This record gives sequence, C-alpha cells and structure tokens, in this order.
Amino acid sequence: DGGITQSPKYLFRKEGQNVTLSCEQNLNHDAMYWYRQDPGQGLRLIYYSQIVNDFQKGDIAEGYSVSREKKESFPLTVTSAQKNPTAFYLCASSIDPSGHTLGYTFGSGTRLTVV
Amino acid sequence: EDQVTQSPEALRLQEGESSSLNCSYTVSGLRGLFWYRQDPGKGPEFLFTLYSAGEEKEKERLKATLTKKESFLHITAPKPEDSATYLCAVHWAGSYQLTFGKGTKLSVIP
Repeated sequence: DGGITQSPKYLFRKEGQNVTLSCEQNLNHDAMYWYRQDPGQGLRLIYYSQIVNDFQKGDIAEGYSVSREKKESFPLTVTSAQKNPTAFYLCASSIDPSGHTLGYTFGSGTRLTVV
Repeated sequence: EDQVTQSPEALRLQEGESSSLNCSYTVSGLRGLFWYRQDPGKGPEFLFTLYSAGEEKEKERLKATLTKKESFLHITAPKPEDSATYLCAVHWAGSYQLTFGKGTKLSVIP
C-alpha cells in the first residue's frame, strides 16, 4: 500500500544534541512538507520541497534543516539551535507542487521530547 | 490576524445530537478548502476538498459546505467514533502551501 512512513514514532533529545526525523513516501508525489504541531497552535510549516534537490523555508524554519536528495525521502534535522523542540512533527506530501489537486497525505507523526 | 479561523475550539455532543463546525477564512483567490480528521497521536486524515462557493460533499454522517468566506462541517447523528479533532485548511492563488486552522476538538458522549 502507498503511503508516508515517519520514524521513529517517539524520539528523545538531550540538550545540545541534533536529531534527525525520517520521512519516506512511495506515492510518487513531487512535493513534501514538514509541519510542527503544538497544542492550541495548529500546524505550522517548517520546510517544504516541490522538487528533488530544492527546498524552501516555511514560517518557522529557524533551528531546523532538511535535504531532498531523493524524491521519496525528506528528512528533517532538529538542531541544537532550536530552543523549544518538544512537539509533534508531521510530514506530508502532495501529488503536485501546489497541493491543489488532492491536498496533502500525512504520515503518522513523530513525537519529539527534550530530556 | 489568523487567515483561517475554526470555531468552536471544542464541542461536546451527546450521541445522536447533530451540530456544525465552522471554518472561516480571509484569504483572497481561494483555490481549495480542505477538511481533515485527526485522532490523538496520529496524522491528519483527508476528508473533503471544496473548490467553489455552493459546493457540497458528503461522507457517511459528515457533510461539508462552502460559501465565499466560510465552510461548515455538518455532523448528523454523531457516534462516539466521530470523536476527533477536525482541521480545516485553505489553499489560495499564489501560495504553494496549505494554511491550517487550529482545529475543533469534537467529543461525542454515549
């Protein structure tokens, strides 16, 4: 079955540590997105990529980095510069770069906690 | 100012008690409005896309409608399994992303 796989489901980060969240899709979608979800704040866009080897900052990119070396993969690194990383992270993809046709397909999320 | 506002923030219904959730938007050049359902600890699940005022879509107990400035998600005779957070998102001309509202948390009590 086609879909988006995020791993791990739970992740614990120590102070000053970089961690990488995995996102893989087998839907042959061109565009991929990373969102952060906090209670009472809804989904906020971190980074998005419309095509391989290209990505754009979203509304809250500071302290995060991404790469898009393959169409299927869009990993997110939470760096030590992100001062409040505890949140639920969602990866999404869309069949076309505008997201217009069918909206987004989401992964099941990664919950990151700072310890 | 939020571009997408959902109300109420939370809604408790008795099983079988019909109601509506609201999503209002201030963006211009709407290209699509999307409804998602999200269960705790999971990613949002796509429900509907609406493209133009007057359009309606139905799925089981859910019906989504769209006007020029808002959308409603009507829930008819809800069941406890309809309990979830419902998210609204809009896509407008010139944007390459969806903008999400903060969601409405629906609880259906048996």
